[in-house]
Amino acid sequence: GIQVEQSPPDLILQEGANSTLRCNFSDSVNNLQWFHQNPWGQLINLFYIPSGTKQNGRLSATTVATERYSLLYISSSQTTDSGVYFCAPESYNTDKLIFGTGTRLQVFP
Amino acid sequence: ETGVTQTPRHLVMGMTNKKSLKCEQHLGHNAMYWYKQSAKKPLELMFVYSLEERVENNSVPSRFSPECPNSSHLFLHLHTLQPEDSALYLCASSQDFRRKNIQYFGAGTRLSVL
Repeated sequence: GIQVEQSPPDLILQEGANSTLRCNFSDSVNNLQWFHQNPWGQLINLFYIPSGTKQNGRLSATTVATERYSLLYISSSQTTDSGVYFCAPESYNTDKLIFGTGTRLQVFP
Repeated sequence: ETGVTQTPRHLVMGMTNKKSLKCEQHLGHNAMYWYKQSAKKPLELMFVYSLEERVENNSVPSRFSPECPNSSHLFLHLHTLQPEDSALYLCASSQDFRRKNIQYFGAGTRLSVL
């Protein structure tokens, strides 16, 4: 099945810093979602991005499906950005979301 | 608020207990999902229902029994669980169980099996 790798596994930032999170996947995908899981477990959709670039406030995402990767950019990070970021490509063969192991982000004031 | 509500938020049970997890979605979606999230592991898909019919069962032990009485409600019945079943159980829904669907998640039930 499709393999999903996220990097870095852990990231510590000071408030105001920028960061780039990467998601590599091993096979063709129908789409890709980015999620943020807050410390209480809630998964929030950030982006639905099968290809191209999207922006939402301080966050933006780019997926290059032909090269099998996606990037999530966080600018001017805030303490509320802390949590775990997951990418989840949808397998072309099975239509299932396959989750990576996530990037754990901690933003300190 | 994602439109998907899970209860209870926390559950502690003994190995001989029987309990149920509940999920309700207010989004008018046709597909609902159960996922398991264990520490340090990716989310694992357990079950998928589409229009109240189970379309996916990912080799889940029979001590987990799902039920979908209608497209808005999904249950996970638990009995004779093991300590390794302790995890965060997440429910999700999407418009359809087909490709290119956005999934929306509930806040999860954190289960501890003693």
